[in-house]
Amino acid sequence: DSGVTQTPKHLITATGQRVTLRCSPRSGDLSVYWYQQSLDQGLQFLIQYYNGEERAKGNILERFSAQQFPDLHSELNLSSLELGDSALYFCASSSGLAGLQETQYFGPGTRLLVL
Amino acid sequence: SQQGEEDPQALSIQEGENATMNCSYKTSINNLQWYRQNSGRGLVHLILIRSNEREKHSGRLRVTLDTSKKSSSLLITASRAADTASYFCATASYNQGGKLIFGQGTELSVKP
Repeated sequence: DSGVTQTPKHLITATGQRVTLRCSPRSGDLSVYWYQQSLDQGLQFLIQYYNGEERAKGNILERFSAQQFPDLHSELNLSSLELGDSALYFCASSSGLAGLQETQYFGPGTRLLVL
Repeated sequence: SQQGEEDPQALSIQEGENATMNCSYKTSINNLQWYRQNSGRGLVHLILIRSNEREKHSGRLRVTLDTSKKSSSLLITASRAADTASYFCATASYNQGGKLIFGQGTELSVKP
C-alpha cells in the first residue's frame, strides 16, 4: 500500500459525459501528479500540483482540468468524454516541489471506460 | 511522447533464473526510476538511481546506469513466479520539472 488513495476504482460512462476522479496523497506529501495509461500511448504525464498550485503540464487535453485543494487532495475532471479517453488514470504524490530526487508513490488508479 | 525504450518488450523465464531488462533514454536525466505493475494495477516503486550513481542494489534487484550510453538495466536475480509483472523505467530531468517520463515497459513472465 503506497498510502495514495484514488476513487473510484472503476468508472463506466458514456461519450459526452463528464467525470471527476479523486486522489488523496500520502500524508505530508505536497506534490500530486496525474498520469494516464492507455494501450496506444502508454504512461503519459498529465499535470502536477504543488501545495495547491499548478507546477507542470504535460499532454493534458483542454477538455481535462485538475485542481488541488487546501487539504491537498486533488481532483481530475474529464469532460466531453470520447471513446479514446478510456484508460487507467493514476495519481502519484511526492513530498517536495520538483520531485527530481524523490520517489513518486502511485495510487491504485481509476479505470475509466467510455462507451 | 515516451522518453525511453525498453528491451525486450516481453521476457519469459523459469523460476530461479535471472531476468535482465534494459532501458534507453534520449535526453540528459537527473535520475532514473524503475517501477513494477501487476496486471493493470498500481505502480510499485522499486528503485531510484541518480545520474551520478552507476549501480544500486535492493534485495534481489540490481540496477545499473550508464549516462554516456543513456541506458539502464534492471536485473532480478533468482526470479520467482511472484515477480511476474510489467516493469517500467521512468526518467526525471530538471528541464522536465517533476514529471516522470515512462518507457513502454517489459512484460516479464516467470514460470514455476
